[in-house]
Amino acid sequence: DAGVIQSPRHEVTEMGQEVTLRCKPISGHDYLFWYRQTMMRGLELLIYFNNNVPIDDSGMPEDRFSAKMPNASFSTLKIQPSEPRDSAVYFCASSSGSGFSYEQYFGPGTRLTVT
Amino acid sequence: DQQVKQNSPSLSVQEGRISILNCDYTNSMFDYFLWYKKYPAEGPTFLISISSIKDKNEDGRFTVFLNKSAKHLSLHIVPSQPGDSAVYFCAAVGSQGNLIFGKGTKLSVKP
Repeated sequence: DAGVIQSPRHEVTEMGQEVTLRCKPISGHDYLFWYRQTMMRGLELLIYFNNNVPIDDSGMPEDRFSAKMPNASFSTLKIQPSEPRDSAVYFCASSSGSGFSYEQYFGPGTRLTVT
Repeated sequence: DQQVKQNSPSLSVQEGRISILNCDYTNSMFDYFLWYKKYPAEGPTFLISISSIKDKNEDGRFTVFLNKSAKHLSLHIVPSQPGDSAVYFCAAVGSQGNLIFGKGTKLSVKP
């Protein structure tokens, strides 16, 4: 299995531009998570999906952020318009809800820089 | 307000010695905990977990201890190796099955 795939790995954009981050979870996993990592706040959960349905988006910082999961193998996190304070590493993770295991498998992350 | 706290941002240990990484939590309802390890430019990877029905779980050189009364857990690495140098995250499972992470501790193991 290729693991969780994220693209792009690096994104540099100017303030005000739209940014779209992409994620392909591990096949068969029914949970998908989006995290953001910053020095100040560490690793924080933005939103997660179960069976393609958003369950908890309370971590999404503001209306500029939106996430979708149109099918079991693809999710996007969009920032529009982007701001310099959105600069961070964004991780996608997936897990299987079956059994007593909470282990999440993380992708390599997308490093976003907004200038 | 942080529910999972890792108060030491960094730790430096000599190769072959023990590394002890600490984690505190505030919510007594948490009953499952995980440790993740993260290398630069990679995503975190699962290391070891523990359920609140246990106070210790071992996997090779890695042991996690849980003290429920103190709301404290620790990860012991014995013996430490240079390849263990990474950022270690402690996480608790929230009420909806989500993970709540600490800010991480950067471990440096010196040869």
